[in-house]
Amino acid sequence: NAGVMQNPRHLVRRRGQEARLRCSPMKGHSHVYWYRQLPEEGLKFMVYLQKENIIDESGMPKERFSAEFPKEGPSILRIQQVVRGDSAAYFCASSPRSGEGGGYTFGSGTRLTVV
Amino acid sequence: KQEVTQIPAALSVPEGENLVLNCSFTDSAIYNLQWFRQDPGKGLTSLLLIQSSQREQTSGRLNASLDKSSGRSTLYIAASQPGDSATYLCAVITSGSRLTFGEGTQLTVNP
Repeated sequence: NAGVMQNPRHLVRRRGQEARLRCSPMKGHSHVYWYRQLPEEGLKFMVYLQKENIIDESGMPKERFSAEFPKEGPSILRIQQVVRGDSAAYFCASSPRSGEGGGYTFGSGTRLTVV
Repeated sequence: KQEVTQIPAALSVPEGENLVLNCSFTDSAIYNLQWFRQDPGKGLTSLLLIQSSQREQTSGRLNASLDKSSGRSTLYIAASQPGDSATYLCAVITSGSRLTFGEGTQLTVNP
C-alpha cells in the first residue's frame, strides 16, 4: 500500500521556465492538499482539491500558480515563469475524506531550486 | 485567523531523558490536532492524531494530550533516543480542512 507519491524529488529550473510537480494520493484517498515550505519557514497551505474540483485555493499566489486533480492521473501543481523566490519544498498530502474528519498523509516532497 | 505556536523552538537533551514539547493555538474551534515529525530534507511522518473530542493519544513512547478549551497540546516523549532527533511539528485542522502548522521544535538527543 504505497503512500503519497510525489515526483520528481528534486527539480532544478532556470528563471522563466515552468515547473510541474506531481502528486499521486494514497489509494482510496480522494482529497489532495498542497503545502509549501520556504527555507527557514514553516509549512503554509496552498490549495485543497478533490477529483476535478478545486475546493480552496486561498493559499495560492494569485499569478503563475495553478493546480489540478483530474479524474484520471495525479494531481499537478504548475508554476509558470518561475522566479528565485519560488525555490522551496512543495509537499502534497492526501486524506480519505475531508480533513475535518481524518488525518493527513504527506509525501516526501519536491524540492524546487530556481537558478 | 488561526495561529499555532510551538515552544521551545529548539531543544537539546541527553539520551534517556523524558521530554515535553508544547503547542498552543489561538482558535479553539478545531476539528483535529496532528503531530508530525520531519527529518532534515525529508517529508512529514504522522505521529499522532487527536480528534477534538479526545483528550490524548498514545503510540509507543509518545503521548499527546489536547486541551481544546485552553488551546494547548503537549507531546511527551519518554526515554528519548538519538533516533528521535528531528523537527516536531504541531498542526491543527479547522473548518475548510486546511492544516495550520506551528514553526516546529527542533529536537537533538545526544548519545
